[in-house]
Amino acid sequence: QKEVEQDPGPLSVPEGAIVSLNCTYSNSAFQYFMWYRQYSRKGPELLMYTYSSGNKEDGRFTAQVDKSSKYISLFIRDSQPSDSATYLCATLGSGGFKTIFGAGTRLFVKA
Amino acid sequence: NAGVTQTPKFQVLKTGQSMTLQCAQDMNHEYMSWYRQDPGMGLRLIHYSVGAGITDQGEVPNGYNVSRSTTEDFPLRLLSAAPSQTSVYFCASSYIGRGREKLFFGSGTQLSVL
Repeated sequence: QKEVEQDPGPLSVPEGAIVSLNCTYSNSAFQYFMWYRQYSRKGPELLMYTYSSGNKEDGRFTAQVDKSSKYISLFIRDSQPSDSATYLCATLGSGGFKTIFGAGTRLFVKA
Repeated sequence: NAGVTQTPKFQVLKTGQSMTLQCAQDMNHEYMSWYRQDPGMGLRLIHYSVGAGITDQGEVPNGYNVSRSTTEDFPLRLLSAAPSQTSVYFCASSYIGRGREKLFFGSGTQLSVL
């Protein structure tokens, strides 16, 4: 079993839609949860991170962690064509500094 | 504002050839790492380092060597290239303590092994 599972998609939505991206993880000891965004032919960039459970909001983006079900979510409100990218969920693994990534979900937002 | 610099951006090798992918960072990060990215498999950790002289294996280390003689540089060596090593390679760095949740990535190296 992979430590972080993520559906690779692709996911295609119309402009303005609410997007929900999800991951599950296997180890209940994980505490840091991150979302990276990767545009085509670029390196990933950190979008948001949360520590332990709860929600974190940044503009149109909300990250949510449910530790009871080992579920990580990213919500994008009022999606824009510029949001078209691959979104990778991640967590800090054993030792607290190795980042473990999900497969990434490719998102297309159509104008 | 250089951040993490990777060279080369593209490389084509023949099976059995060796080469070194270069990575340098100017943020004084203790932690440096190499990932490979393949379709549908996300980023997989090859090797990592928590400081000069200290390296360790990640998830997929076979066929690769690393060394860390300085804080700034972390080269990745392919010993005898195989077609299975065709991939996009990313170098990434971060702090170890506060701020370790944020990895800074280079722009990647597209490697093809024929």
